[in-house]
Amino acid sequence: GQNIDQPTEMTATEGAIVQINCTYQTSGFNGLFWYQQHAGEAPTFLSYNVLDGLEEKGRFSSFLSRSKGYSYLLLKELQMKDSASYLCAHRDAGKSTFGDGTTLTVKP
Amino acid sequence: DVKVTQSSRYLVKRTGEKVFLECVQDMDHENMFWYRQDPGLGLRLIYFSYDVKMKEKGDIPEGYSVSREKKERFSLILESASTNQTSMYLCASTGQGKIGELFFGEGSRLTVL
Repeated sequence: GQNIDQPTEMTATEGAIVQINCTYQTSGFNGLFWYQQHAGEAPTFLSYNVLDGLEEKGRFSSFLSRSKGYSYLLLKELQMKDSASYLCAHRDAGKSTFGDGTTLTVKP
Repeated sequence: DVKVTQSSRYLVKRTGEKVFLECVQDMDHENMFWYRQDPGLGLRLIYFSYDVKMKEKGDIPEGYSVSREKKERFSLILESASTNQTSMYLCASTGQGKIGELFFGEGSRLTVL
């Protein structure tokens, strides 16, 4: 994706914790989003950060550091259904720019 | 429940044909977007619209045009399809709420032969 970097693939074990990192470069900033996309389906919204710090939402948390251009998505107590692609996106003036996505495979 | 509906899940067209991809949302959203998604390239913005009859070019508008005659409907047009336009096309919308997350349609997989 344009000026957004995230790992291509990750593998983790059911019940474990995984952290997916995202770094970005942008001149304007109006929020950092994470979306989940299962194979063959549309992306769905997971989390949003506009200020520095951690946002927690059940098993999912997202962190943002604007000065470092860095975010991560933390998934706890992994389940098989968490196997999906995770897309990092930053928004500037209403337009969202996406990374290429990280394909997470959860193994038993 | 919010809904973004794309008219066709799968299309097969021939090089040079005119292609219409329709998208309708029932959330009274002001903003609508067309993305294409390709392996290794992520989602790339083609065109977007902030209001009826208004359109803005995204990052890859070449070979595409759009139409927004009504608030709920945003159409993507390929005037003369080419093989490099074979892709998954995703429509999305967002309102003016606090977060303004994107709501996506199911996608239209277009194959140009």
